[in-house]
Amino acid sequence: KAGVTQTPRYLIKTRGQQVTLSCSPISGHRSVSWYQQTPGQGLQFLFEYFSETQRNKGNFPGRFSGRQFSNSRSEMNVSTLELGDSALYLCASSLGGGENTEAFFGQGTRLTVV
Amino acid sequence: GDSVTQMEGPVTLSEEAFLTINCTYTATGYPSLFWYVQYPGEGLQLLLKATKADDKGSNKGFEATYRKETTSFHLEKGSVQVSDSAVYFCAERGSYIPTFGRGTSLIVHP
Repeated sequence: KAGVTQTPRYLIKTRGQQVTLSCSPISGHRSVSWYQQTPGQGLQFLFEYFSETQRNKGNFPGRFSGRQFSNSRSEMNVSTLELGDSALYLCASSLGGGENTEAFFGQGTRLTVV
Repeated sequence: GDSVTQMEGPVTLSEEAFLTINCTYTATGYPSLFWYVQYPGEGLQLLLKATKADDKGSNKGFEATYRKETTSFHLEKGSVQVSDSAVYFCAERGSYIPTFGRGTSLIVHP
């Protein structure tokens, strides 16, 4: 079956702009989580959506937001981009999102802010 | 809050050498523990997991045992291959918010 698909794979934006990233989970998966990966901070949890509701949120400013649609596809939006937002953004999907649930990751979207 | 500490890399080994990557965690309760692997240009892939104390997760020759008494989940492989070169992440999930270690880069030379 198809894996987690993230689009676009690469993105270059200018400071102050906003960006939307997309994630299509594995068919049947209802939980989608987003992560930011940087060399300095490692892998940090942004938020998780389950059945169109944000269930958990990491410690990121309000410029980072997301949503999930009825087909479980999710989008992540970053407004007023800063240079420090340059990172690999990873999406992961799972069946239910509980503590024992395996998360399947996409290949990520590489965002560069100039 | 919860945290995961991994040994700093890179770890550089010759092919067929023994591998250990240390991982310790702090968490309340009894989290599930995971090892993920990330190859260049790819997302993370689950390598193995353990959900309760003394469980041993294993996959592709890699093993890790959930040690509650030492709050550890060290990754081991008896004989590494060049194709094992990647970044390895230890993670715990005691609640809905997972916590990852910083990652350990493994480089295996022929």
